Amino acid sequence: EALLVESGGGLVHPGGSLRLSCAVSGFPLRDYSMSWVRQSPERGLEWVSFMKNTGSPIYYADSVRGRFTISRDFGRTSMFLQMNSLRAEDTGTYYCARTWRTNSFDIWGQGTVVTVSS
Amino acid sequence: VVLTQSPGTLSLSPGERATLSCRTTQSVSDGYLAWYQQRPGQAPRLLIYDVSSRAADIPDRFSGSGSGTDFTLTIGRLEPEDFAVYYCQQYRDSRWTFGPGTKVEIK
Repeated sequence: EALLVESGGGLVHPGGSLRLSCAVSGFPLRDYSMSWVRQSPERGLEWVSFMKNTGSPIYYADSVRGRFTISRDFGRTSMFLQMNSLRAEDTGTYYCARTWRTNSFDIWGQGTVVTVSS
Repeated sequence: VVLTQSPGTLSLSPGERATLSCRTTQSVSDGYLAWYQQRPGQAPRLLIYDVSSRAADIPDRFSGSGSGTDFTLTIGRLEPEDFAVYYCQQYRDSRWTFGPGTKVEIK
């Protein structure tokens, strides 16, 4: 069974950093492109970042470009999202998601909650 | 690209047919339009991709249709587990965008 498990969320002050992890099991990470998607009551569902299975290309939403970095560890079947210069509007539940046929998301993790507040 | 969904809330009884609408501000390229279901406390679940293809293990009471800028998700006969929020999502120019959602609630 394909499974994604996120971790690393928490409470952080504005301007701070967090690193989210996504543990992948049940399918070979090297064969699939992956994304991060976040959700908040204020912004709804919002795509954050994408990485092709080969490691390139990488795309970011305008709202996070220059502050967030997506990466993956092919050997340990994990994906990461390094989030720097965090803002209050980055608050939300962050999901890692397997990207299906490039254009949709067929497997989702349970999410990890990020709260940016002073 | 901006997606709008209507209605915001749909109040129906089990067994009834649900018709949800999604409109995009630009024509969807290559049919890249998907639908998701989200139950309270759960992650979204892919129902439909490429406008009308059902994802794995999705019952055939769920169907998608449309083209250009107007798309529809139809739930043939509502089961108790179908009362949830539904989102449409499009892909274009290396960007993925979601609609605001339609809540299907029990009447």
